[in-house]
Amino acid sequence: GAVVSQHPSRVICKSGTSVKIECRSLDFQATTMFWYRQFPKQSLMLMATSNEGSKATYEQGVEKDKFLINHASLTLSTLTVTSAHPEDSSFYICSALAGEGTDTQYFGPGTRLTVL
Amino acid sequence: QKEVEQNSGPLSVPEGAIASLNCTYSDRGSQSFFWYRQYSGKSPELIMSIYSNGDKEDGRFTAQLNKASQYVSLLIRDSQPSDSATYLCAVNEGGGADGLTFGKGTHLIIQP
Repeated sequence: GAVVSQHPSRVICKSGTSVKIECRSLDFQATTMFWYRQFPKQSLMLMATSNEGSKATYEQGVEKDKFLINHASLTLSTLTVTSAHPEDSSFYICSALAGEGTDTQYFGPGTRLTVL
Repeated sequence: QKEVEQNSGPLSVPEGAIASLNCTYSDRGSQSFFWYRQYSGKSPELIMSIYSNGDKEDGRFTAQLNKASQYVSLLIRDSQPSDSATYLCAVNEGGGADGLTFGKGTHLIIQP
């Protein structure tokens, strides 16, 4: 149980384009999902908290207009990197809380974004 | 500033020995503590969580928590080459539906 998927697993795009990443909970409903970013040889940094049916909460320093998050259903959250630039190249990983009243997060397999 | 500190390593341990990984955290009010394992190029996978002071055992893994010292550790018994990975300590300061603060991880190498 508690399987989280992400799509795509890897994407290469040109500078200035937008990229959408999907995060799905496959066998459970997730009212809360999280988006993290990991640069090479660094740890995971929380970008935002995504709550179903409401606006996402962004961490300090994360531009909400650049990283658009939509959590339209209990099994799907999307992250759109708008007008991507090479410095946005990173490993983007989502996670989901395994259920109500729990704080255990299960992670998706991640999306490797490369912006040329 | 919430901080989670880990020795980046690499920590080299002979196969069959006990690997000991340590973590300290800055927020004294932190509620929940997690150990994740991350293989190169992959996302983290949960090893175990711990919430109360003392030891928690799960198979070859034992997590230890000391809130007074703001210290969390992970012991891996009978280390196997497949245990070679980066081990991430993560803390949930508020409890509940909060994001995690991760340490930079300890790179563990199990020598056959």
